[in-house]
Amino acid sequence: DQQVKQNSPSLSVQEGRISILNCDYTNSMFDYFLWYKKYPAEGPTFLISISSIKDKNEDGRFTVFLNKSAKHLSLHIVPSQPGDSAVYFCAASARKTSGSRLTFGEGTQLTVNP
Amino acid sequence: EAQVTQNPRYLITVTGKKLTVTCSQNMNHEYMSWYRQDPGLGLRQIYYSMNVEVTDKGDVPEGYKVSRKEKRNFPLILESPSPNQTSLYFCASSLPHNSPLHFGNGTRLTVT
Repeated sequence: DQQVKQNSPSLSVQEGRISILNCDYTNSMFDYFLWYKKYPAEGPTFLISISSIKDKNEDGRFTVFLNKSAKHLSLHIVPSQPGDSAVYFCAASARKTSGSRLTFGEGTQLTVNP
Repeated sequence: EAQVTQNPRYLITVTGKKLTVTCSQNMNHEYMSWYRQDPGLGLRQIYYSMNVEVTDKGDVPEGYKVSRKEKRNFPLILESPSPNQTSLYFCASSLPHNSPLHFGNGTRLTVT
């Protein structure tokens, strides 16, 4: 069963506009969430994370929002740039029970058009 | 440069021929893990290791073996590869307690 789900396989936005990538999870034990970015022929790289004690974390153009009651998180990129075009993976862990283990979503291909 | 190195990057083999994909990290990380990436399924964990001589199954361990004899190395072994193991494989490492994972650049395996 897919405990972390990214329902949009792809997203296309114009340069300068906002990109919103969504992620839903089912395991209520998850308490730490991360976003990774992956370019072709490279491994995923860490982008931003959020603990379940927060509902928002910001790092430059990237903001992650967590809605625990809805078991939903989203990544906002503003303004979007062509270099942001990549596959974005949402990941979650249950630190108390599973330590460092991460469960990943299916990924969303973001394309930012100049 | 801090990195996770996987070899080979590309591998084509035949059913049943044993192979090993090597993984090495130079960051002194305790935690290491193997993932496979398949279209529509994202990254699924195969095996992980919390430290030397400590390994455990992930979500899709069938058909794979690992070993952790040294802290820096975590090879993935396919004793008898089958076509359903054709995939893109990633090794990753991190410090404990949910530090972000550092990934290698991947190994594209094709089993015919």
